[in-house]
Parts: sequence; C-alpha cells; structure tokens
Amino acid sequence: EVQLVESGGGLVQPGGSLRLSCAASGFTFGDYWMNWVRQAPEKGPEWVANIKPDGSEKYYVGSVKGRFTISRDNAKDSLYLQMNSLTAEDTAVYYCARGYCNTAGCSRGYWGQGTLVTVSS
Amino acid sequence: DIVMTQSPLSLAVTPGEPASISCRSSQSLLRSDGHNYLDWYLQKPGQSPQLLIYLGSNRASGVPDRFSGSGSGTDFTLKISRVEAEDVGVYYCMQVQQAWTFGQGTKVEIK
Repeated sequence: EVQLVESGGGLVQPGGSLRLSCAASGFTFGDYWMNWVRQAPEKGPEWVANIKPDGSEKYYVGSVKGRFTISRDNAKDSLYLQMNSLTAEDTAVYYCARGYCNTAGCSRGYWGQGTLVTVSS
Repeated sequence: DIVMTQSPLSLAVTPGEPASISCRSSQSLLRSDGHNYLDWYLQKPGQSPQLLIYLGSNRASGVPDRFSGSGSGTDFTLKISRVEAEDVGVYYCMQVQQAWTFGQGTKVEIK
C-alpha cells in the first residue's frame, strides 16, 4: 500500500523558515517524480514544486522560486521542502504527492494527508 | 502554464438525479502514450482532496461506479449518474501533463 506521511509543519513567524519532510513507503521511491502541493484556507490546491527521480531536475511555481527548495533522499525514501522567507501567503496545508509514471508505465498518483503550515506573528 | 477552466462553478442537485461537470484545458492533455493526463478530485467539507478519476477515465479504487470520467485532448467531463447526499463538496479537475494546475472547483450541493 502506497503511503506518504508529511511532517514538520507548525507555526512560524513571518520571515522565518521551516523544513517539511515526507516519508514514502509501499513503492520504489527512486522511480518516481515527487511533488509538493499546497492548499491555503478556503482556496483551491496549488502545485508548489517537483523533483525528478534522480534529483537532477527541480521545478517551482513562480511565487516560491528563490525561497523554497525541494530535495529528496532516495536511500531514505524521503522528500523534503525547505521553506525560507515565509510570508502569510504561504499559510496552507502542504501535501506530498507522487507522480504517475515510472519506466514500467503510468498509473494513479497519490497524496499524503498533509501538514499545516501557519505563518503568523 | 496550462489553464484549467471548470463549469459550472456551483451546482445544486436533487438526490437520485444525474450531474455533470465540465473541464477544459488550454493545451492538449493527451500524450503519445495514449493517456490523458487529467484527474478529478472531490474535497468533502473539512477533508483532504480524494481522488475519483485518474488519467482521464480510470476510476480510483473504492470509488462508486456512479462516478465516471470521459473526454480527450482539451475537453473533459465528470459525470455522476445518481447523486447521493455524500457526494457534496468541491470537485476539482487537475492536469498532470506539465507543472500541475487545477480548475477553479465546482461546489456541489444537495437541493
């Protein structure tokens, strides 16, 4: 069974930093693109960033470029999101999400249950 | 970025009646592998989004067969054959062809 478990959320002051983690199990982590998606209160979901299976390519939504860094450790089946210079607009539930395809083919994606990040003084 | 446009944005349905939500993408979501890279999610009040349909028309495990997804390229439809009270919430289409983007959401309520 595929499982994605996020951790590291919490309350942080504006300008502060936070590092989110996602522990993956139930699939070969190193075979898939991985993503972070967030959902601000009363808003729709928004894709934040993704990373290639080998970590060689990373992409970000414009609003977080230069502030957030996605990374992964395939030996630990773990995904990370380092968030710096946080603002109130970054307040959201952050979800870890698996991509759809590996070398064998494509199937459904998976999301974790999310971790809440609140940026407030 | 691929822009996703849903319609309608709200829908009130009588239990037992059908419902349909449309989703249009600004670029084709059909890849050479034959898959349409579009999913449908339902977010029930107070819950995380749950997957209903993946890659255009594949029902996720555990999803009732009253839900179906169709379409190809840039035009997609989610149909509920007979709406039940538990189907209330916000429905999102989501393209996973490139950097993922979402439709605005369609709020479904029961009459």
